[in-house]
Order: sequence, then C-alpha cells, then structure tokens
Amino acid sequence: DTGVSQDPRHKITKRGQNVTFRCDPISEHNRLYWYRQTLGQGPEFLTYFQNEAQLEKSRLLSDRFSAERPKGSFSTLEIQRTEQGDSAMYLCASSLAMLGDTQYFGPGTRLTVL
Amino acid sequence: AQSVTQLGSHVSVSEGALVLLRCNYSSSVPPYLFWYVQYPNQGLQLLLKYTSAATLVKGINGFEAEFKKSETSFHLTKPSAHMSDAAEYFCAVSDQNTGGFKTIFGAGTRLFVKA
Repeated sequence: DTGVSQDPRHKITKRGQNVTFRCDPISEHNRLYWYRQTLGQGPEFLTYFQNEAQLEKSRLLSDRFSAERPKGSFSTLEIQRTEQGDSAMYLCASSLAMLGDTQYFGPGTRLTVL
Repeated sequence: AQSVTQLGSHVSVSEGALVLLRCNYSSSVPPYLFWYVQYPNQGLQLLLKYTSAATLVKGINGFEAEFKKSETSFHLTKPSAHMSDAAEYFCAVSDQNTGGFKTIFGAGTRLFVKA
C-alpha cells in the first residue's frame, strides 16, 4: 500500500491555459474524490467516482472543470481556461466503498494561476 | 443540509497542557463524524471517526473525541499536548444515508504548541 499519489505537486500556469492533474488511488479502492482547498479553509467537495462512474458533481465545479476515471483506477482533473480564482490546493482521496468509509488523502497539487 | 462549525480558527496551548478543539455539526440524519489532521505541505490524515458505535472514540496519537447528540458536538481532546501536535485540524461530517461519499469539512483549527 503506497498511499494516494498526485502529480504534479505544484503547477504554475498563466491565466487562460489548460491544466491537468493526475491522481492514483490506493489500488483496491473503488471510490475516488476530488476536493479543492483554499488558504484558511477546509477541503470543498468537487466530485466523486465509484469505479469509473462519476456519481456527483458539486455546483462549485463549473463547466471549465472536467474529471475522468477511465478504467476505474487513476483519475484526471482538467481545468480549461484557468482563472486566478482557480488558484488552490487540489486534493484527491480514495476509499473502499462502505458506510462511513475512511477517505485516504493524497498530498495535493498546488495550482497557482498568474 | 449538513454543516460543520469549528469554533476558533487558532488555538494555542503550552506543551503538556490539555488540547480541546471544538466542533459542532448540523445534520438531519444520523451522521458519521471525522477528525483529520493536516501537517504543512501534506494531505489530510484521519485521526478518528464516529460511526454510531461507542460515543467516545479513541484515535491515533492519544487523541479522542466524544459524540454528544444533545449538543450536536464532536469535540477533540488530548490530555497532554506535544510539540509534534502542532498542525491544522479539520472536523468533518457525512450522513449515513449516502454512505459517506459527500463529506463536508469545517474551516479548520490551527493548533500551536508552545514550549
């Protein structure tokens, strides 16, 4: 069990560019979550997958954001036409589906939009 | 809708003193409750969770929390603070009906430990 990994750890981009982040969950975990965390705040739920199915998207997730989990393993989060307000830490977590399942978090990708 | 309120964005204690971090929740259904810790530049790590078994939950690193339904609280305590406890702590809630897939986090409390 190597834990949840995220790549890259840091991304600096210019406004208007597209960025893509990757999350590799713990191998046997079938649930995968994306959160956004801004300074001084707790993580905010963005979206959730069970296996390859995206089951919920937050209203925070504008149409510039898209997430995929093509084979029920790793996931990608893409932000198109980035804005300065997108600057945040993007956290990925995974869990094994059960009531009250424990989510295991990755180290996050810190995005800075200039 | 569920929500979490953490009272105090910053808490400062002396090494060896009691740690008390406050969390109140709002949920229309029986909740699952969690405390996570986040060290600088790291992801969140689960300290403990309440899933409707014992109301007093013991976690890692000597932390514990008590679920009080009448007060809608889930405060985190540790009898004696250690320097290594300095971190950000998040309380979170999810409801049992949805199986925990949507977890709502509080804004966090940063714990400072003075030597």
